[in-house]
Amino acid sequence: AQSVTQPDIHITVSEGASLELRCNYSYGATPYLFWYVQSPGQGLQLLLKYFSGDTLVQGIKGFEAEFKRSQSSFNLRKPSVHWSDAAEYFCAVYSSASKIIFGSGTRLSIRP
Amino acid sequence: NAGVTQTPKFRVLKTGQSMTLLCAQDMNHEYMYWYRQDPGMGLRLIHYSVGEGTTAKGEVPDGYNVSRLKKQNFLLGLESAAPSQTSVYFCASTESGAKNIQYFGAGTRLSVL
Repeated sequence: AQSVTQPDIHITVSEGASLELRCNYSYGATPYLFWYVQSPGQGLQLLLKYFSGDTLVQGIKGFEAEFKRSQSSFNLRKPSVHWSDAAEYFCAVYSSASKIIFGSGTRLSIRP
Repeated sequence: NAGVTQTPKFRVLKTGQSMTLLCAQDMNHEYMYWYRQDPGMGLRLIHYSVGEGTTAKGEVPDGYNVSRLKKQNFLLGLESAAPSQTSVYFCASTESGAKNIQYFGAGTRLSVL
């Protein structure tokens, strides 16, 4: 069965520092992978997605993610975080019949 | 452009009461979903619909019912609320197909006392 694991529940980084959020997936074939962001009190918004091709994908708000099949990973990165990046981040994988499975989320806090 | 609208935004129920959550989308999307979000568990799919008049069970359907009488609306019902249904509920919609982005509403925070 498909699954997504986000091993970090909560991460705190300093403003201006680089960021990497980890995501590992379990899927038999080539996965469709997503990163969503949830700002406090809001719904989820798509940051980026990977379906095929170039393994480094660019998203909105300066985020990027790299698909590594050998490690079953799809980590999210940003070179320099801003205070407005404080939010919860969800990795997700397509399951079947247009359903996607979400990870448990990583909460990002920004240190001034 | 409203996107996905959920009503109400907040609700407090007593155990055993019933209520209906409404989700409306104005993007002419075929697929609609109801999720619940609980701390440390991410989003779990309750029910979904692949078109007007259709519904299907997701991962955690027990205690909930849904209806999709109109393409733009997807209703989630709790017939007899239980404290275990205290959660934040999100509705989402997408065009048909796995590659399409899901668009989310702002959520409904439900407390069952």
